[in-house]
Amino acid sequence: DQQVKQNSPSLSVQEGRISILNCDYTNSMFDYFLWYKKYPAEGPTFLISISSIKDKNEDGRFTVFLNKSAKHLSLHIVPSQPGDSAVYFCAASAMGGNNDMRFGAGTRLTVKP
Amino acid sequence: DAGVIQSPRHEVTEMGQEVTLRCKPISGHNSLFWYRQTMMRGLELLIYFNNNVPIDDSGMPEDRFSAKMPNASFSTLKIQPSEPRDSAVYFCASSFTGLTTDTQYFGPGTRLTVL
Repeated sequence: DQQVKQNSPSLSVQEGRISILNCDYTNSMFDYFLWYKKYPAEGPTFLISISSIKDKNEDGRFTVFLNKSAKHLSLHIVPSQPGDSAVYFCAASAMGGNNDMRFGAGTRLTVKP
Repeated sequence: DAGVIQSPRHEVTEMGQEVTLRCKPISGHNSLFWYRQTMMRGLELLIYFNNNVPIDDSGMPEDRFSAKMPNASFSTLKIQPSEPRDSAVYFCASSFTGLTTDTQYFGPGTRLTVL
């Protein structure tokens, strides 16, 4: 069962514009959320995270928003750069439980110059 | 630091053959994770170890899959016999404590093709 869903397999934006990647989850026990970025032929690398006690976390051009009532989170990239072109994975876990992190299927972001 | 090392990077084998994937975690990390990436299901956790002990193998798809961690610097994921549906990219990751909030560092992956 897909407890973490990224319904958009791909997204294309113009350089300088905002990229918004979305993620939905079904398990109400999840209380820690992460975004990973993956370039071709490389493993995923950690990008940003947020715990359920917050609704926003910002790190430079990257901001993650969490809407617990809707079980939805999003990653905003502003401004988008061609180097941001990659596959972005959303992940979720329960801090008090086993280290069982669930990933979404990923969204391929293409930033056009 | 060399990061998480996986070998081989690519493996092509025929159905029914045994496949062994290898992983060397980052030195000093106490937890190691094996993931499988497919187009349909994204990244799935197969098994993870803490201090060389398997903690949760509920993600291992079936008995054909087995994983070992004989010491803190080496782990293997074995598929025997392999089937075409096992074709995927297999990632190994490690983290310092294994806590959920601890960043996992991924290796470059092994792309497995079973003909």
